[in-house]
Amino acid sequence: DTAVSQTPKYLVTQMGNDKSIKCEQNLGHDTMYWYKQDSKKFLKIMFSYNNKELIINETVPNRFSPKSPDKAHLNLHINSLELGDSAVYFCASSQGGNEKLFFGSGTQLSVL
Amino acid sequence: SQKIEQNSEALNIQEGKTATLTCNYTNYSPAYLQWYRQDPGRGPVFLLLIRENEKEKRKERLKVTFDTTLKQSLFHITASQPADSATYLCALESDYKLSFGAGTTVTVRA
Repeated sequence: DTAVSQTPKYLVTQMGNDKSIKCEQNLGHDTMYWYKQDSKKFLKIMFSYNNKELIINETVPNRFSPKSPDKAHLNLHINSLELGDSAVYFCASSQGGNEKLFFGSGTQLSVL
Repeated sequence: SQKIEQNSEALNIQEGKTATLTCNYTNYSPAYLQWYRQDPGRGPVFLLLIRENEKEKRKERLKVTFDTTLKQSLFHITASQPADSATYLCALESDYKLSFGAGTTVTVRA
């Protein structure tokens, strides 16, 4: 069973569109995250939720809106996509704090 | 400003040798430091965590050291194998956020 699963694996879309990426974890963890990995491979945190509550919101355009319907799910909705949004987006989870993150396999977003 | 620097982008070594990767940091006071492995097209996978009061930690052929005076961690892969080829990332926590270095890509030649 996949511990942290995110869909879709690949997302190709036009500028200006709205898209969503879904993430689910079956580890029973309380904390979930969204990270962005750019072309230079830097992994940067975007958001963190603990028990459905937003606890970290980095300097991310408000076109990006995370939603956590329950503690096992954290989705990412992106409005008005721009070329610069092209990257790999990773969902992750942990049991409290930042120790030992479990990552999904990533969603490669390409904005044309 | 805070920085996490990993010594080189790429490291090529012969099978059986020891790979040594460096992680230096600036303006962090971490309680612990972590190392992850990332394969192409996959998410990072946790390998080891070392706390500030620990000098060294081992897991199978992996060894990590942590020097809070030098603000440096060394990551060793002993008796390297082609299957160890991957990108290795170090990570530090600050303000409840885990920040990652850019990674070092290790290629082990048979």
